[in-house]
Amino acid sequence: NAGVTQTPKFQVLKTGQSMTLQCAQDMNHEYMSWYRQDPGMGLRLIHYSVGAGITDQGEVPNGYNVSRSTTEDFPLRLLSAAPSQTSVYFCASSERANEKLFFGSGTQLSVL
Amino acid sequence: GEDVEQSLFLSVREGDSSVINCTYTDSSSTYLYWYKQEPGAGLQLLTYIFSNMDMKQDQRLTVLLNKKDKHLSLRIADTQTGDSAIYFCAAWFSGGYNKLIFGAGTRLAVHP
Repeated sequence: NAGVTQTPKFQVLKTGQSMTLQCAQDMNHEYMSWYRQDPGMGLRLIHYSVGAGITDQGEVPNGYNVSRSTTEDFPLRLLSAAPSQTSVYFCASSERANEKLFFGSGTQLSVL
Repeated sequence: GEDVEQSLFLSVREGDSSVINCTYTDSSSTYLYWYKQEPGAGLQLLTYIFSNMDMKQDQRLTVLLNKKDKHLSLRIADTQTGDSAIYFCAAWFSGGYNKLIFGAGTRLAVHP
């Protein structure tokens, strides 16, 4: 019953550092996505993938990279962290686009 | 454009009904969703409605959809303190790319 698993739960970075947020799902879902949640702004889509080897940009992709080498994993890379990237990050997956989206428990990231 | 809007705050007395409203623009979504987020947690799919339906009832939850006015509402009967959370409505948009867009969230506060 793992569902969508995100690691780490908390992370503190210094400006300019890079890191990877991990996301894995065990439901054989085709569609995976990354959102960031900021106070008063709801959730904004960063990147998404409709299947292994296929990724595309969402609303706020700048400063982030993704890859989808397997169906299960969809890591999010911060190339050079900035304070503006302080946020809560959620990974989500669905069987395919236009279906119910299931969320991980989130990663709280602070960039100092 | 693609947008989902909700009021930001609702306060109700325990035992009363809560009604959370949402409007959306030009969605091609097959389903429209309500998610619930408790403090420090991820988003949990609460309920959803097929876009060809007008109403769906699920225990204390009633979802109403007015497709002509692009208006979605969530009614919680006999609201309890455990219902205190942020509620998000969401719809899929496929202009350019498939994405699930969320409203900014309505914070429901339940008081004795």
